[in-house]
Amino acid sequence: AQKITQTQPGMFVQEKEAVTLDCTYDTSDQSYGLFWYKQPSSGEMIFLIYQGSYDEQNATEGRYSLNFQKARKSANLVISASQLGDSAMYFCAMREGRGLTGGGNKLTFGTGTQLKVEL
Amino acid sequence: DAGVIQSPRHEVTEMGQEVTLRCKPISGHNSLFWYRQTMMRGLELLIYFNNNVPIDDSGMPEDRFSAKMPNASFSTLKIQPSEPRDSAVYFCASSWGNTIYFGEGSWLTVV
Repeated sequence: AQKITQTQPGMFVQEKEAVTLDCTYDTSDQSYGLFWYKQPSSGEMIFLIYQGSYDEQNATEGRYSLNFQKARKSANLVISASQLGDSAMYFCAMREGRGLTGGGNKLTFGTGTQLKVEL
Repeated sequence: DAGVIQSPRHEVTEMGQEVTLRCKPISGHNSLFWYRQTMMRGLELLIYFNNNVPIDDSGMPEDRFSAKMPNASFSTLKIQPSEPRDSAVYFCASSWGNTIYFGEGSWLTVV
């Protein structure tokens, strides 16, 4: 079974509107972390946001928020007020377990969602 | 602050040649990861180190691939001999706690 599932290969959104990118995950660990990364056409991987499994509040970073629904095992990324520069591939990733002391454990990535922001 | 630094950014090499990719992690980060990205397979973890010690190399595709981390500020990924199917983007990432940052990638083409 896929550990990270992103069911939307491509999405379109109008500039200034909000968009939700879906991510579901599968793990039997109680402690885990969920990440979202942005990969523009230039190729770099840009860290956007992190949610820990024990975090009670949904994570937010500027225009990015993570809609974390633990019982449903979903960790959707919400981008508010979309901008043309948001056009990119977006990856959801999961770290299982507590992570190594002082350091991160390995990430498993989904297949990504290509977002296109239109005027 | 400097991010994760990878070199070379682009490399084109002939089949059979040795390729060495280099990575300087963010200072203070004690975990380092090598990932490979292809259209067919997406992002795959090849190997990761914690405190310079390899923890999991189960993603290394075969004996042609090797990785070292001689100290906290440097790691290499070597492919010898290289094959056309090794063509991919190779990312290095470093981590402390819940933050995992990627370098800009090394784009490898083997012809």
